[in-house]
Amino acid sequence: AQSVTQLGSHVSVSEGALVLLRCNYSSSVPPYLFWYVQYPNQGLQLLLKYTSAATLVKGINGFEAEFKKSETSFHLTKPSAHMSDAAEYFCAVSDRTGGSYIPTFGRGTSLIVHP
Amino acid sequence: DVKVTQSSRYLVKRTGEKVFLECVQDMDHENMFWYRQDPGLGLRLIYFSYDVKMKEKGDIPEGYSVSREKKERFSLILESASTNQTSMYLCASTPGSSYNSPLHFGNGTRLTVT
Repeated sequence: AQSVTQLGSHVSVSEGALVLLRCNYSSSVPPYLFWYVQYPNQGLQLLLKYTSAATLVKGINGFEAEFKKSETSFHLTKPSAHMSDAAEYFCAVSDRTGGSYIPTFGRGTSLIVHP
Repeated sequence: DVKVTQSSRYLVKRTGEKVFLECVQDMDHENMFWYRQDPGLGLRLIYFSYDVKMKEKGDIPEGYSVSREKKERFSLILESASTNQTSMYLCASTPGSSYNSPLHFGNGTRLTVT
């Protein structure tokens, strides 16, 4: 069985500051990992995904995430926060457990950006 | 670009009503999902379907049923709505058996049961 833990339900940063959103996963087999973003009153959209090609993954809007197998982590970062980054962020993991593709989501982290 | 369309953005229903939430995708995806989103709980899987007329229970199927008569359409049914089913409902789809394919989400239906 797979699971995802997102540390911190809310993260607050100043505009221009580093953004770090944490995600740890558990999986018995090599996982596929995803970060999604949800803007107010919208569905989720893909930020980036890890599929074993490279440990550092670049996504949209300047975000990137690094897969660290030894730490079972896939933290999301952005060097400089912008007001438009304020949103809910979800980490998700999927693997071939049971032969089906069923992604598991973390509980989400709300990013608050102060001017 | 994949489009997943949920028929209603906002719904208000009374306790005991039968409620239908509709979802249509336009990219011939095999897999479709219904999630429920609540603050602090993230996304919880209600039901999913990997083919027409096929359905599987997710983590919280109680009080819900689904229908998939056509590949592009996946309906969520609340047989007798209750106030604890007030929530945001998200539909998603993804192609075949691609484990690294991301989910494509609709914009959600915010359901209020009074």
